[in-house]
Amino acid sequence: DAGVIQSPRHEVTEMGQEVTLRCKPISGHDYLFWYRQTMMRGLELLIYFNNNVPIDDSGMPEDRFSAKMPNASFSTLKIQPSEPRDSAVYFCASSLAPGPGTEAFFGQGTRLTVV
Amino acid sequence: GQSLEQPSEVTAVEGAIVQINCTYQTSGFYGLSWYQQHDGGAPTFLSYNALDGLEETGRFSSFLSRSDSYGYLLLQELQMKDSASYFCAVRDHRQAGTALIFGKGTTLSVSS
Repeated sequence: DAGVIQSPRHEVTEMGQEVTLRCKPISGHDYLFWYRQTMMRGLELLIYFNNNVPIDDSGMPEDRFSAKMPNASFSTLKIQPSEPRDSAVYFCASSLAPGPGTEAFFGQGTRLTVV
Repeated sequence: GQSLEQPSEVTAVEGAIVQINCTYQTSGFYGLSWYQQHDGGAPTFLSYNALDGLEETGRFSSFLSRSDSYGYLLLQELQMKDSASYFCAVRDHRQAGTALIFGKGTTLSVSS
């Protein structure tokens, strides 16, 4: 497996525009996590899915953020409209169901800049 | 809710030993993990403790005390390439699933 694949790697957009980040998890993984990383706030959990079902979206900053997982091999994180304070690195990670030694595998991240 | 506390920065010299502590608070503890992240990279898994005690993987060891809600990562024979951020993370079991929550990370700087 190629690992967790995120696209795009870099995104520069203007304030007010819609941004869609994409993630392909590792085949067979039950869990998918979306994180946002900034210097100030560290790695924040935005939302996570278990078997394609959103379990907890309490970390989503506001209604401008939404996430979907239409099938086991694809997830999107959408920001509409985007604002400069959304600038961050967004990571997607996937894992098997928790158990001894279960690790989360991260994609390379999408660096988002909103100007 | 849940929270994890770890020091923000640690400095050391090559060959030294460093311990990074982590205290956590969570309602549905399901294990403590450690991740490493180099500048510009993605977090990568280092170790996992579900039970009390020490787990050793080469130069790195991780310890857990569930009664104290405390763990640490021990890095021995430090090398320059160990300069990175280190995150503790808990699997927090909730009603319908298990979240993976990270601390804010400890930046380790190793000098020669």
